[in-house]
This record gives sequence, structure tokens and C-alpha cells, in this order.
Amino acid sequence: KQEVTQIPAALSVPEGENLVLNCSFTDSAIYNLQWFRQDPGKGLTSLLLIQSSQREQTSGRLNASLDKSSGRSTLYIAASQPGDSATYLCAVRPAGANSKLTFGKGITLSVRP
Amino acid sequence: DAGVIQSPRHEVTEMGQEVTLRCKPISGHNSLFWYRQTMMRGLELLIYFNNNVPIDDSGMPEDRFSAKMPNASFSTLKIQPSEPRDSAVYFCASSPLNGRSHEQYFGPGTRLTVT
Repeated sequence: KQEVTQIPAALSVPEGENLVLNCSFTDSAIYNLQWFRQDPGKGLTSLLLIQSSQREQTSGRLNASLDKSSGRSTLYIAASQPGDSATYLCAVRPAGANSKLTFGKGITLSVRP
Repeated sequence: DAGVIQSPRHEVTEMGQEVTLRCKPISGHNSLFWYRQTMMRGLELLIYFNNNVPIDDSGMPEDRFSAKMPNASFSTLKIQPSEPRDSAVYFCASSPLNGRSHEQYFGPGTRLTVT
């Protein structure tokens, strides 16, 4: 059974710092991995999706990497801003026809002005 | 596109009452997912549909929960009778069945409180 772990559960950094959020998963047979952002009281917004054949994806100040063999993904946020404060979740989709995503519990990020 | 639409946004009900949550997926998306999110358990998949057909309902907690998708643009999640432990945020998401990414798009959620 696939398990997705995100540690630590919470992180607080000063504005301007570059930071890395980690995600690990137990079964490397994945189709893709998706990073989401969730603001308090809101739904999930997809940030980046990495196919199993890819190593990384970039969008603005965000860069997500994938090392399938070691079961790890990182989300790199450059020059963090208070507006980046949110919960970041990663989710993996298994290989095959199954469309189910398995989510981590998320990392709650606070960027201090 | 308006994105995934869910209603109501908030629901407060008494134990034993029937609750119906509604979802309109993004037009053209073939897959629809119902999730539940709590502090203790995080985000859990309850059920998902492909082309209006339930594919996997193994996440549905018990017989009190049922979901339907009568057409491509509408789905319901029903809880009858509701219990306090059902209090959570329920999300609906949709994705294109075809295409490379199968990226999921989430609605704003329904916050359910059962007293």
C-alpha cells in the first residue's frame, strides 16, 4: 500500500529565504506526482505535476524534483514571501489504470515578514 | 471555466439528519473524485467515477455514505443518517480521463458540521 510522508508538519521561515519541502513515498511504481497548495478554509490548488519520466518541473519561483528510485520529491521555493504561507501537499498517482491519488498530510509553511 | 463547483459551502445539521453534498465538475472532465479532509486523517479519497461510472468506492466509510453521478455534469454525496464523526471538509475534484497528466482540479469544499 502506497504511503506518502511529509516531514516536518510545520515550518516557519523569514521572508526572502529559499526553502525546500520534502515528500517521500514507499512505492516507486508511480505514474506521476503532484504538488498542491491549500490556503486556510479553501480547496487545493495544483502547483506542479511531474510525470514519472521527468526529473523536475518549474513554475515561477517553484521547482519540483522527482527521484522515483529513492521515493522522494522536493518542492523548492525561491525567495519566499509572506504570501507563500499555506499548507503544501504532495500526492502520488500509481502506475496503471488506477486514478487514485495518495496524499501526504501536508506541510504548513509560515513565512514571516 | 468556473472550475469545480460545490454546494453548499457550509452545512450544519443535527445527528440523524440526511445530508446531501453537490458537485459540478469542470466541463469536459471525465473523472470525478470525492474526498474527505480532517485534521486527524488528512485527505482521504472516498469514491471516484470515470465516465459517470463508480470505479472504486473502497474509501466510503460505511453504508451510511452513498454517491451518485447521474450525468457528466453533476454528482452527489449523501450521508444518511449523519453522525458527529462525519464532521469534516468534503472536497470534489475532477480531471480529464484522457490526456497525459490526469491532473486533478479541486472545488472549494463543503464544511460539514454534525452536532
